[in-house]
Amino acid sequence: DIQMSQSPSSLSASVGDRVTITCRASQSIATFLNWYQQKPGKAPKFLIYDASTLQSGVPSRFSGSGSGTDFTLTISSLQPEDFATYYCQQSYSVPLTFGGGTKVDIK
Amino acid sequence: QVHLVQSGAEVKKPGSSVRVSCKVSGGTFSSNGITWVRQAPGQGLEWMGVIIPILDSTNFAQKLQGRVTLTADESTSTVHMELRSLRSEDTAVYYCARVSVGTWRFDPWGQGTLVTVSS
Repeated sequence: DIQMSQSPSSLSASVGDRVTITCRASQSIATFLNWYQQKPGKAPKFLIYDASTLQSGVPSRFSGSGSGTDFTLTISSLQPEDFATYYCQQSYSVPLTFGGGTKVDIK
Repeated sequence: QVHLVQSGAEVKKPGSSVRVSCKVSGGTFSSNGITWVRQAPGQGLEWMGVIIPILDSTNFAQKLQGRVTLTADESTSTVHMELRSLRSEDTAVYYCARVSVGTWRFDPWGQGTLVTVSS
């Protein structure tokens, strides 16, 4: 099975900050990497696929990059509605696996 | 616009079974897959399995193999998830999500169903 890890597990930031979250795969997954955002008490929301392609309707302040085993999710200017937990998920092979999540909260 | 609506919260005894439903509206039911993901209280997301009706195919996480079943009812555009031999560690919110065949992208998601296992 492919193991996914994220860092940091949590971070505190202010509105307007640039935020970067890292996701690492235990083996190469090319660019088969998705990102999700989850707010408390809500279902996850699909943000980015194929490592860097924004899902329709996702604000352009979100971006993704990486290939192989190392990936990043960047929020260029954090907005109040972005405080949430973010998960990466590999779509390279079954069983599909998620990273442990990164909680972004208010400094 | 595809929309997934799940059945309501359940409270179950250890050793019993639970069945959670996920009704799909919009889109073409059988040409996509439905995957299930659970989230224990305060924890991350755990993939459980997937069913692809058009391929009559299922695949499950190793740790749940033998305890979980996914079935699709095309007449009602509903997927059912049954989890057997429940234990306290199965207490979680269970989500279904549509998955496009071959891409393994989960979108959209159902609202979630809380399953509580308690004696």
